[in-house]
Amino acid sequence: QQPVQSPQAVILREGEDAVINCSSSKALYSVHWYRQKHGEAPVFLMILLKGGEQKGHEKISASFNEKKQQSSLYLTASQLSYSGTYFCGTEEESNAGNMLTFGGGTRLMVKP
Amino acid sequence: EAQVTQNPRYLITVTGKKLTVTCSQNMNHEYMSWYRQDPGLGLRQIYYSMNVEVTDKGDVPEGYKVSRKEKRNFPLILESPSPNQTSLYFCASSFRGRPEAFFGQGTRLTVV
Repeated sequence: QQPVQSPQAVILREGEDAVINCSSSKALYSVHWYRQKHGEAPVFLMILLKGGEQKGHEKISASFNEKKQQSSLYLTASQLSYSGTYFCGTEEESNAGNMLTFGGGTRLMVKP
Repeated sequence: EAQVTQNPRYLITVTGKKLTVTCSQNMNHEYMSWYRQDPGLGLRQIYYSMNVEVTDKGDVPEGYKVSRKEKRNFPLILESPSPNQTSLYFCASSFRGRPEAFFGQGTRLTVV
């Protein structure tokens, strides 16, 4: 079952912050975040494992609340290069080791 | 260069005419998977393979077949394509137990 992402789309000005959420109804082993630029393949950003850890990639960080089966991606001081569609991919505890189930994506547009 | 190669990149075909989309990876990955991407629905898994001769259905397998005779190749077969299979298709691969999935450049299929 696909995780649910929100919002579906967000428009920012350069320098503004954004949060993208990913929620699952299943017990999760890990959450992965990918970014896809228009016309390109998705590219891996980071993975969060059970344990509520946070990770960071440049000014992009993420958290994973395993009790709520939710993950959030935080984009700080957004840059034009952050534009694209962000996907969360989840790995269920019951099915760990298999490939990911992706959410519907969040389209992010950063304007000058 | 480490990569996942899909062919063709673009394909227009007619209903019922069998087609194959090839996927090849040069990273010795155990896991390979096919996804389709449709607006608002994100990446939905069609089939995945955890190793040679081991394949399993994903979320939307109807109308598709796959095979994994060699570790590097994972072709997607549409025996009798229909217009509702018009979509953007991605092949992805990863090492067993490693988080990062590498995606091919995508195949845009139109069935008329």
